[in-house]
Amino acid sequence: DVKVTQSSRYLVKRTGEKVFLECVQDMDHENMFWYRQDPGLGLRLIYFSYDVKMKEKGDIPEGYSVSREKKERFSLILESASTNQTSMYLCASRSTGAEAFFGQGTRLTVV
Amino acid sequence: AQSVTQPDIHITVSEGASLELRCNYSYGATPYLFWYVQSPGQGLQLLLKYFSGDTLVQGIKGFEAEFKRSQSSFNLRKPSVHWSDAAEYFCAVGAGTASKLTFGTGTRLQVTL
Repeated sequence: DVKVTQSSRYLVKRTGEKVFLECVQDMDHENMFWYRQDPGLGLRLIYFSYDVKMKEKGDIPEGYSVSREKKERFSLILESASTNQTSMYLCASRSTGAEAFFGQGTRLTVV
Repeated sequence: AQSVTQPDIHITVSEGASLELRCNYSYGATPYLFWYVQSPGQGLQLLLKYFSGDTLVQGIKGFEAEFKRSQSSFNLRKPSVHWSDAAEYFCAVGAGTASKLTFGTGTRLQVTL
């Protein structure tokens, strides 16, 4: 079975903290994605990566950064967490031209 | 730029009734189209996909979708809905040669018994 694993299902962090969300895939996919999901807004793309050490901004990159040092791992970093970053974060991976596979999601609450 | 519109935010159907969820896309070339389902608290699961060929595609759980190029649509259908189909459904568009997938805002399906 293909697998995309996000390191945490639930996280609670304080305003101003640096937050790391980790995602690992075991399918050797070249493309990996971070989406944010909010009610009524669907999935919005934060960043994606099409190769190791390569990244591109998505639709809402402000306040976020990413790191991809190995092909299987893609990290989302909130440099200084704010309450408006409270959300569900979904990681996905995809081979170009095929469907995307999703992790279970991380529900982040910033207090 | 590619985009997806799901005009129905919320739909309620009775168990056993038929279902159609609408999806309209905007894309400059031949699109790759997807429908995903998300149960509460879960990630997204692929229902079906269209890349090329037959415009009527079959998916899992008895779902099907029809690609209509002239209408830029990819509507999801099921002839008889089950209570377990209650979930949120997302349509997505991408390309064969590029990485990015763009999602719609989703349609929440409620099934009454």
